[in-house]
Amino acid sequence: NAGVMQNPRHLVRRRGQEARLRCSPMKGHSHVYWYRQLPEEGLKFMVYLQKENIIDESGMPKERFSAEFPKEGPSILRIQQVVRGDSAAYFCASSPRPLLNNSPLHFGNGTRLTVT
Amino acid sequence: DQQVKQNSPSLSVQEGRISILNCDYTNSMFDYFLWYKKYPAEGPTFLISISSIKDKNEDGRFTVFLNKSAKHLSLHIVPSQPGDSAVYFCAATFNAGGTSYGKLTFGQGTILTVHP
Repeated sequence: NAGVMQNPRHLVRRRGQEARLRCSPMKGHSHVYWYRQLPEEGLKFMVYLQKENIIDESGMPKERFSAEFPKEGPSILRIQQVVRGDSAAYFCASSPRPLLNNSPLHFGNGTRLTVT
Repeated sequence: DQQVKQNSPSLSVQEGRISILNCDYTNSMFDYFLWYKKYPAEGPTFLISISSIKDKNEDGRFTVFLNKSAKHLSLHIVPSQPGDSAVYFCAATFNAGGTSYGKLTFGQGTILTVHP
């Protein structure tokens, strides 16, 4: 898990508020992946971004969720008007280039979002 | 549509014995398979992987076996140690065009407990 930094580690929001989750990739990495783990489930792919571009957002819920990876600064996963079902652990991973089939993803320690 | 399944939610093993964790998949496109280990409140840690061109890959106490005809893989840990107690996830992926190999499909996880 070393290298990919996520903050905050824990985030509590009331229903209807906005949640912003940050991911700083490993140094030199320009590709970021976001995953979500709901309670009692495995991780599920949400979105894949390169600097300033969304490459694949097929796992993102259609509404309220958005992601960005600006030229400068961390990648942000934004959840608007949070609901209790958004409570989950959100993990980020990064890579220096598109992954080959001998390069595993390395994840950060995640942000645990609790919606009250 | 659960494309990767770990049918055993938990496994209990005595220290020094072999732990065998199993995983089944349904998508024939998958050609790269990974095992991750996860402790509470941490991100998944990469353990070992295997490409579909192989049927076995070994790294120290960990060996992964792949049976493509049965669409089945297993992780063997020998000898098991108490520090191996964690949740183990298998994951699978393939080169999905723009997403390369970064879009992993995870199983639900197996909780391994190794008793001293």
